[in-house]
Amino acid sequence: GIQVEQSPPDLILQEGANSTLRCNFSDSVNNLQWFHQNPWGQLINLFYIPSGTKQNGRLSATTVATERYSLLYISSSQTTDSGVYFCAANTGNQFYFGTGTSLTVIP
Amino acid sequence: DAEITQSPRHKITETGRQVTLACHQTWNHNNMFWYRQDLGHGLRLIHYSYGVQDTNKGEVSDGYSVSRSNTEDLPLTLESAASSQTSVYFCASSEGQNNSPLHFGNGTRLTVT
Repeated sequence: GIQVEQSPPDLILQEGANSTLRCNFSDSVNNLQWFHQNPWGQLINLFYIPSGTKQNGRLSATTVATERYSLLYISSSQTTDSGVYFCAANTGNQFYFGTGTSLTVIP
Repeated sequence: DAEITQSPRHKITETGRQVTLACHQTWNHNNMFWYRQDLGHGLRLIHYSYGVQDTNKGEVSDGYSVSRSNTEDLPLTLESAASSQTSVYFCASSEGQNNSPLHFGNGTRLTVT
């Protein structure tokens, strides 16, 4: 299967700061998905992005499929952004997950 | 709105007992998946199904079984619960075609004593 690596593993931010999370994948994929796991454990879909850039409020994602990576940008971070961010590479009917980036936003 | 419902949300059971975790989706998705999440291991695939009567083993399938008798449900059974199976279990589904996103249920926290 595909290897998916996320960096950094942990991140602590002051409220209002910006951050970039990275997801590298080892082979060609059909699509790339970003999730946020909130402190209650729910896995929330953020983006489903095979290539290019998508934006949703303060969050945006860019996938460069030819170079096998995706970036998640969080601007003006808020305490509610805390949690773990996972990326998952989609090949056909299978999804391969990274081990996540744990984000803590401090007031 | 379509959703995935897992039940129960929390379960405590004893070693050796059979346990079944329910997963019901109203997306009408062909593909359904079971994952477990443990500290230090991220999400690991237990079993998956691409349609009715289809089931497949994932990377950590030992001690678990699933059955798919209809589109909506994929129950996960622990035949004889072990303490190593204490975990949070997530069910997920996707449409079944390329380029269809994965949707998760809210998880079941299982404790085996």
